[in-house]
Amino acid sequence: KQEVTQIPAALSVPEGENLVLNCSFTDSAIYNLQWFRQDPGKGLTSLLLIQSSQREQTSGRLNASLDKSSGRSTLYIAASQPGDSATYLCAVPNYGQNFVFGPGTRLSVLP
Amino acid sequence: EAQVTQNPRYLITVTGKKLTVTCSQNMNHEYMSWYRQDPGLGLRQIYYSMNVEVTDKGDVPEGYKVSRKEKRNFPLILESPSPNQTSLYFCASRPGLGVDEQFFGPGTRLTVL
Repeated sequence: KQEVTQIPAALSVPEGENLVLNCSFTDSAIYNLQWFRQDPGKGLTSLLLIQSSQREQTSGRLNASLDKSSGRSTLYIAASQPGDSATYLCAVPNYGQNFVFGPGTRLSVLP
Repeated sequence: EAQVTQNPRYLITVTGKKLTVTCSQNMNHEYMSWYRQDPGLGLRQIYYSMNVEVTDKGDVPEGYKVSRKEKRNFPLILESPSPNQTSLYFCASRPGLGVDEQFFGPGTRLTVL
């Protein structure tokens, strides 16, 4: 069964820093990986979707990479801002059509 | 506006009183699913549906039922709710099988007393 972990569990940084969030999964036979953002008490907003054939995907200050062979994905946030404060989740498919989420990284960006 | 909607957003009920949480999407998506989110356990999939009249269990289906009679709707039914079903519930949809991204509803916070 697919298992997903995320490191670190929580992160607090001053505004302007570049930072990296990590996602690891046990079964590399995935067809995509998706990163989400969740604000407290709110729903999930899709940030980036990486197909299995891709190694990177970029959107503004966000860059996500995928290394299937090692079972890892990283989300890079450049020049962090207080508005980036949220929980970041990664999700991968589990043997077909259901999905497994990581526990999330709770990010605080201090002004 | 393309979106996934859920109702109600907040619900407090008592043990054993049947309830339904509705989910609707206006994007003509084939795939829909339900998740629950609990502190320390993260998001876990309850049920999913790949098309009308096609549903399957996720990781935590016990105590829940679903139906998919129309493409746009995917209600979650708790026949006899119990306190351990107190949670934050999310509905999600995506265009179809394969490589598409998922879109989430705003969530339903359920408390079972």
